[in-house]
Amino acid sequence: SAVISQKPSRDICQRGTSLTIQCQVDSQVTMMFWYRQQPGQSLTLIATANQGSEATYESGFVIDKFPISRPNLTFSTLTVSNMSPEDSSIYLCSVERPAGYGYTFGSGTRLTVV
Amino acid sequence: QKEVEQDPGPLSVPEGAIVSLNCTYSNSAFQYFMWYRQYSRKGPELLMYTYSSGNKEDGRFTAQVDKSSKYISLFIRDSQPSDSATYLCAMKASGGSYIPTFGRGTSLIVHP
Repeated sequence: SAVISQKPSRDICQRGTSLTIQCQVDSQVTMMFWYRQQPGQSLTLIATANQGSEATYESGFVIDKFPISRPNLTFSTLTVSNMSPEDSSIYLCSVERPAGYGYTFGSGTRLTVV
Repeated sequence: QKEVEQDPGPLSVPEGAIVSLNCTYSNSAFQYFMWYRQYSRKGPELLMYTYSSGNKEDGRFTAQVDKSSKYISLFIRDSQPSDSATYLCAMKASGGSYIPTFGRGTSLIVHP
């Protein structure tokens, strides 16, 4: 299955600033997924990113707040913009495993906004 | 009612115990069922993947799906301190959306 390198692994940011999270996959994949994981909560899908098209955002998430880039089949970025303490969370990228047998996740970015 | 319910725990057991982790769900369209293990400060890793009802065994792990009851389980035999982690269930319907629905995760602590 694919291996995903995600960075940064953690960051502490000032409110009002932006942070860009990067995910690099060691193989070409059609779709990449971005999740948020808040303490004690299930994984919440932010958006699905296809190469060459606009990302598809889930209800409650908007492009202005979470712009996503997908310049090629192995790379994607998620930006958390104009951050507030409520954005403190773990952010994860994910790809579907070959033949659709589950999903592989990056190691996550632990974001704290102060 | 949430689509997937999972007790967050924590569940604390002694080393060597048999662990039973469970999820219930409400969407009868779910056909694919997954269990992920997530260590602290790591991303989830896939443990088990099953389709429809039945059992699947992999080493010390057994996944069980009862679609009639909308209930899935993960059993861990001879639990080890290294099994201490959060276990998330996930499930999705066939066709259509590729997106799985995750449970909240159950925190498991195996103490020596």
